[in-house]
Amino acid sequence: SQKIEQNSEALNIQEGKTATLTCNYTNYSPAYLQWYRQDPGRGPVFLLLIRENEKEKRKERLKVTFDTTLKQSLFHITASQPADSATYLCALDANNNNDMRFGAGTRLTVKP
Amino acid sequence: NAGVTQTPKFQVLKTGQSMTLQCAQDMNHNSMYWYRQDPGMGLRLIYYSASEGTTDKGEVPNGYNVSRLNKREFSLRLESAAPSQTSVYFCASSERTGRDEQFFGPGTRLTVL
Repeated sequence: SQKIEQNSEALNIQEGKTATLTCNYTNYSPAYLQWYRQDPGRGPVFLLLIRENEKEKRKERLKVTFDTTLKQSLFHITASQPADSATYLCALDANNNNDMRFGAGTRLTVKP
Repeated sequence: NAGVTQTPKFQVLKTGQSMTLQCAQDMNHNSMYWYRQDPGMGLRLIYYSASEGTTDKGEVPNGYNVSRLNKREFSLRLESAAPSQTSVYFCASSERTGRDEQFFGPGTRLTVL
């Protein structure tokens, strides 16, 4: 069956450290993978998109990697801050690019 | 520029009642989506509309109907609400399906008693 799994429901780290979140997928062949941030009581907000032919994408303190052999994406936040505390969702295109499927998310808490 | 707006923000229904959730976007996007979000299950796609005049089923369409009224508006209807439809519903839009970033509305929290 098709699955998208994000590592642990919750991740706690100290301010200033690098947070690494994992997204693994099974029985999908995505051409695109996206990462979103969701704060409590609000809709998700887009962060980064990476294509299957890209190994890595960066935006300010954020970095995403995409390994189609391992069927895995890693999402890194460097020099993390308490304001980075949120739930992070990965999403990938499914069924010939017509719809997106989301993982359940990882709740990140950055402690001062 | 309001982005994606949804009404209502909260709703309580009794089993068997019907209601329509409204969604509108002002970004001139072609594609629109309805998701539901349940604890521990992430966002699940109910229906989407790749362009004005077309709609397609997503992952969990049973018990729902949609209408793409025009390019701006995409509504979700529950004909006979069930407790299993208690959830938070999000509408989203994007320039194209699948590959483009999606812009989400603030959500509707629905409780079915």
